[in-house]
Amino acid sequence: ETGVTQTPRHLVMGMTNKKSLKCEQHLGHNAMYWYKQSAKKPLELMFVYNFKEQTENNSVPSRFSPECPNSSHLFLHLHTLQPEDSALYLCASSQDGGRGANVLTFGAGSRLTVL
Amino acid sequence: GQNIDQPTEMTATEGAIVQINCTYQTSGFNGLFWYQQHAGEAPTFLSYNVLDGLEEKGRFSSFLSRSKGYSYLLLKELQMKDSASYLCAVRDSNYQLIWGAGTKLIIKP
Repeated sequence: ETGVTQTPRHLVMGMTNKKSLKCEQHLGHNAMYWYKQSAKKPLELMFVYNFKEQTENNSVPSRFSPECPNSSHLFLHLHTLQPEDSALYLCASSQDGGRGANVLTFGAGSRLTVL
Repeated sequence: GQNIDQPTEMTATEGAIVQINCTYQTSGFNGLFWYQQHAGEAPTFLSYNVLDGLEEKGRFSSFLSRSKGYSYLLLKELQMKDSASYLCAVRDSNYQLIWGAGTKLIIKP
């Protein structure tokens, strides 16, 4: 496979469930990102990892817990979510994560519905 | 605060030309990006402008005026497959990406 792959593509969960979103990139990039995309709203950056180290956490509630075991894999662990957390969660990667052109390559997203 | 403005929705006819505008107010400027996102798919990179002027790439062109805080994406010879959302994003002085809410472009036969 090439590019950025996200699983599952669709997820429905209750507020008491625990689930995880997975992202894998096959591009040799060293930076990975989680974004939240809600209808008619700008993309919201959640977390950034550079060389497996978390470099940004944009005041995301603790019910979202990221994990980056290596430069190719990124997880978003979900627990006790709220209905307003229903959204499309996009994973992205980039080559430098810093001051270069830093073009993002996105996955197709995981559509999350919280009941 | 930092802000990116772009129209919510635009409609154009197949074969025509459409211009999608993006205005921004940010703390500093380190480049402007355009991405295309088809429904249910990943956003994909279209263009990057860091200097004033027009960048042409096939049927798509992107223009930047830093003094006016303004960019546009120009799509020529529109095709039905160009129906998508177009996202404008600006990198600020801290190299953070500030995103617009996107413009949904509808192409009619």
